Amino acid sequence: AQRVTQPEKLLSVFKGAPVELKCNYSYSGSPELFWYVQYSRQRLQLLLRHISRESIKGFTADLNKGETSFHLKKPFAQEEDSAMYYCALSQMNTGFQKLVFGTGTRLLVSP
Amino acid sequence: DAGVTQSPTHLIKTRGQQVTLRCSPKSGHDTVSWYQQALGQGPQFIFQYYEEEERQRGNFPDRFSGHQFPNYSSELNVNALLLGDSALYLCASSPTGQSYEQYFGPGTRLTVT
Repeated sequence: AQRVTQPEKLLSVFKGAPVELKCNYSYSGSPELFWYVQYSRQRLQLLLRHISRESIKGFTADLNKGETSFHLKKPFAQEEDSAMYYCALSQMNTGFQKLVFGTGTRLLVSP
Repeated sequence: DAGVTQSPTHLIKTRGQQVTLRCSPKSGHDTVSWYQQALGQGPQFIFQYYEEEERQRGNFPDRFSGHQFPNYSSELNVNALLLGDSALYLCASSPTGQSYEQYFGPGTRLTVT
């Protein structure tokens, strides 16, 4: 079964510290992985997609197929990074993609 | 463009009743997906509509049904409500062939008493 695991419910760091939000997945084919973010009082939005290999707001994520991981990293956390982060996996089926989400990690960046 | 809109914002129903939730997709989007998000959980896929047909369905009972209209807006219907149906219901839209990039609405908070 396809599954996304985010082992940490809460990650608390100080401003300027490195951040790594963990995500592991199980999938029988070639997955497409995403990170979605939800800031306070805002809607869920796409942060980054592994295929694009971009850095968004200083965040990067590398797909490690050997370890079935897609951890989200940022070298220096900012207070505005405080939010709920969801790792998601895309399942391709007849050309339509549905997302399988993890349970989320709340990142709290303190001054 | 207001993005994805959902109505109502909040809803309280009694066990056994039926409910209809509504979603208008972002301008230019024709694919609509529905998710259920229970407290403390990630969104869970219910189903997806494209060209007024259900294209994919998650592990939800037949009590959950949907519809898509010619203007791409969509409804989610839940019959015979259970206490466990209490959750935030999210609608997401995406353009044709790019359903990996889903734009989410603010959600409808359903409470079943």
